[in-house]
Amino acid sequence: GAVVSQHPSWVICKSGTSVKIECRSLDFQATTMFWYRQFPKQSLMLMATSNEGSKATYEQGVEKDKFLINHASLTLSTLTVTSAHPEDSSFYICSATTQVASSYEQYFGPGTRLTVT
Amino acid sequence: SQKIEQNSEALNIQEGKTATLTCNYTNYSPAYLQWYRQDPGRGPVFLLLIRENEKEKRKERLKVTFDTTLKQSLFHITASQPADSATYLCALPLPNDYKLSFGAGTTVTVRA
Repeated sequence: GAVVSQHPSWVICKSGTSVKIECRSLDFQATTMFWYRQFPKQSLMLMATSNEGSKATYEQGVEKDKFLINHASLTLSTLTVTSAHPEDSSFYICSATTQVASSYEQYFGPGTRLTVT
Repeated sequence: SQKIEQNSEALNIQEGKTATLTCNYTNYSPAYLQWYRQDPGRGPVFLLLIRENEKEKRKERLKVTFDTTLKQSLFHITASQPADSATYLCALPLPNDYKLSFGAGTTVTVRA
């Protein structure tokens, strides 16, 4: 159980175009999903928290107009990188959370490798 | 703000030995701490969660300790195998929140 999928697993796009990444919880409902970015040999950096039916909450320094997040249902959140630039090239990972007692376990997707040329 | 430090970037050990990884944190007292495994090009996989009132937790060949006085967690892989080679991340919830803050990770390589 607790499987999270991401699509696509990798994408190459040209500078100035937009890319949409999907995150789905396959066997459970996730009221909250998180989006992370990870650069090589660095840890995960939280970008935003996505709650079903409401606006995403962005971390400091993350441009909300550039990284559009939509959480349309309890099993789907999307991240759209708008007007992508080479510096947006990174590994984007989503996670879905479920509460266990008083703690929260996060289940991660396999990640999406974005390369902007 | 809270800070998480994992002991080293890389740990190389011989198959069959025990790998011990350290996670130190400062500036607050989390209610629990989590450990994840991440393989190259993949998302992290949840391994263990230990609560502040638990001293030790085990799962198969994995053992985690949590010392709230030292503000430290130790992660042990016993009878290590080459398949255990990966990066291991510790994560703590942010104060008064359920969002996680991750350490930089320790990459373990187990030699056959």
